[in-house]
Amino acid sequence: AQSVTQLGSHVSVSEGALVLLRCNYSSSVPPYLFWYVQYPNQGLQLLLKYTTGATLVKGINGFEAEFKKSETSFHLTKPSAHMSDAAEYFCAVSDVDDKIIFGKGTRLHILP
Amino acid sequence: GAVVSQHPSWVICKSGTSVKIECRSLDFQATTMFWYRQFPKQSLMLMATSNEGSKATYEQGVEKDKFLINHASLTLSTLTVTSAHPEDSSFYICSASNPGPTSYEQYFGPGTRLTVT
Repeated sequence: AQSVTQLGSHVSVSEGALVLLRCNYSSSVPPYLFWYVQYPNQGLQLLLKYTTGATLVKGINGFEAEFKKSETSFHLTKPSAHMSDAAEYFCAVSDVDDKIIFGKGTRLHILP
Repeated sequence: GAVVSQHPSWVICKSGTSVKIECRSLDFQATTMFWYRQFPKQSLMLMATSNEGSKATYEQGVEKDKFLINHASLTLSTLTVTSAHPEDSSFYICSASNPGPTSYEQYFGPGTRLTVT
């Protein structure tokens, strides 16, 4: 069965610093991978997704992620953190019947 | 495009009563909708998958008689929490997927905060 592991339930970075949120997946088939962001008391917003093709995926708000099959990873990065990036981030992988399996989430804190 | 709405955004109900939450796909037809539950500071837990015109498929451990799901049309699915108890208080999120080659992608609603007193 597919699974997702997010390393670090909380990550703190200074404003302007690099953001790196780690995600490893387990999948028995070529995966579809997603990163979502959730602000307090809101639903999920898709940041980016990997399906096929280019392994470096660019998303909204300056985020990008790289699919590394050999490492079964799909880490999320942003070169320069902004205060508005403070939120909960979920990595996810597609499962059978179009279900989505979510990681436990990483809370990103931005330090002024 | 691909907007999903939920109504209400928050609801407070008394223990023992039932409450209905609506999930609508506003600009596309969704043959499949998903219902999730999210506890504070936790991830989303899939409760059930609903397909238009057929019975919902519930995940293991989810009480189908307590969480009634109806997907009567291609744009509307409802979740009814029956005989609600305080432990049912949670954030409920629905999502919808487009049929076809991108059916793996889900579009999420804004969520409904349920508080049972």
